[in-house]
Amino acid sequence: DQQVKQNSPSLSVQEGRISILNCDYTNSMFDYFLWYKKYPAEGPTFLISISSIKDKNEDGRFTVFLNKSAKHLSLHIVPSQPGDSAVYFCAASAYSSASKIIFGSGTRLSIRP
Amino acid sequence: DAEITQSPRHKITETGRQVTLACHQTWNHNNMFWYRQDLGHGLRLIHYSYGVQDTNKGEVSDGYSVSRSNTEDLPLTLESAASSQTSVYFCASSERTPNTGELFFGEGSRLTVL
Repeated sequence: DQQVKQNSPSLSVQEGRISILNCDYTNSMFDYFLWYKKYPAEGPTFLISISSIKDKNEDGRFTVFLNKSAKHLSLHIVPSQPGDSAVYFCAASAYSSASKIIFGSGTRLSIRP
Repeated sequence: DAEITQSPRHKITETGRQVTLACHQTWNHNNMFWYRQDLGHGLRLIHYSYGVQDTNKGEVSDGYSVSRSNTEDLPLTLESAASSQTSVYFCASSERTPNTGELFFGEGSRLTVL
């Protein structure tokens, strides 16, 4: 039973355009959400996060939106650059479970010229 | 610079053998985690620890064990390796405060069980 779902295994976007990666969750106890980025043969690296008390968090070209009623979050990358080509993992945690973080299955983003 | 290192980076073993993957971090983080990455499943939590002598089971803990005798190390042991345990394993650590969110990952250990 996947608590964090990324239904799009892959996404191709033209350089300079907006990339939108989506994530759904089922556990209503989750109150902190994160995105990680992973290049081949490397470990994942933290990208951006959002607390459930907010509906938007922005960091440069990256913005995460949270819709608690729909149990849905999305990552927007504007403008998309070639270096953004990677696998993106959505993740979530609940305060009650301290620092245990549950990950989705990932979306492979490819930025084409 | 502080870091987290995993060894070995690549390992091939046979079914039934015991295998230990090492994880060492120099951030002095209390929290340490082991995940496995498989196609279609993403990163799944195997075991985690919130401090010395503390260990907890994650989503997919069967066939794995960990021990935490000091802050820096969390070795992962496969008691009797199975082909289903062929995967890429990632160790991670984080600070004590809940919901700081940021996990620091090692580069991964690719394990093949024949």
